[in-house]
Amino acid sequence: NAGVTQTPKFQVLKTGQSMTLQCAQDMNHNSMYWYRQDPGMGLRLIYYSASEGTTDKGEVPNGYNVSRLNKREFSLRLESAAPSQTSVYFCASSPNRGYTEAFFGQGTRLTVV
Amino acid sequence: KNQVEQSPQSLIILEGKNCTLQCNYTVSPFSNLRWYKQDTGRGPVSLTIMTFSENTKSNGRYTATLDADTKQSSLHITASQLSDSASYICVVIGGGGNKLTFGTGTQLKVEL
Repeated sequence: NAGVTQTPKFQVLKTGQSMTLQCAQDMNHNSMYWYRQDPGMGLRLIYYSASEGTTDKGEVPNGYNVSRLNKREFSLRLESAAPSQTSVYFCASSPNRGYTEAFFGQGTRLTVV
Repeated sequence: KNQVEQSPQSLIILEGKNCTLQCNYTVSPFSNLRWYKQDTGRGPVSLTIMTFSENTKSNGRYTATLDADTKQSSLHITASQLSDSASYICVVIGGGGNKLTFGTGTQLKVEL
């Protein structure tokens, strides 16, 4: 039972470099999300995709872009990484947005130096 | 502003003891409330979900309560085990558009 799979698990970037975080779910969920988790703060929503073909900004979208490639996959791209983007990133999915339970991936620990 | 506050920030208890974690929220309108367990280096995993009409819900040794009038929830852990060591996160769904508002979590450590 894979659930939500994120790659990579760890990454170190230099300031200004770009990278894409990959996320895939095998539960046939409509909605997918990207969060970041920082010390002393609750998870914050970066972007979400309520359904295939749609994406919307969350609470902290600046510096990020997303692509809902198909129903299974939702990627997060950092075009020009900054130290402020050092964080743990979580992808999640749910059958639909809101009431239904969200399932989280294992997280990607990103360090920007 | 929609907020979720949890207390205590951290807690250390001996194995076999009980503990209660608190969650206060200001999210409105309210849809439901969830408690998640997050092990170190892992993603959060749902423990319980509480809707407006539910006062108490149990999941094994975990019992969640909800008082929608005072906007408070608690998570009671009975007969704690070493494997209960984790961060427990309160999440409130609502605030228009069914947004998820996360608390900062209570870091629980269970010791021998």
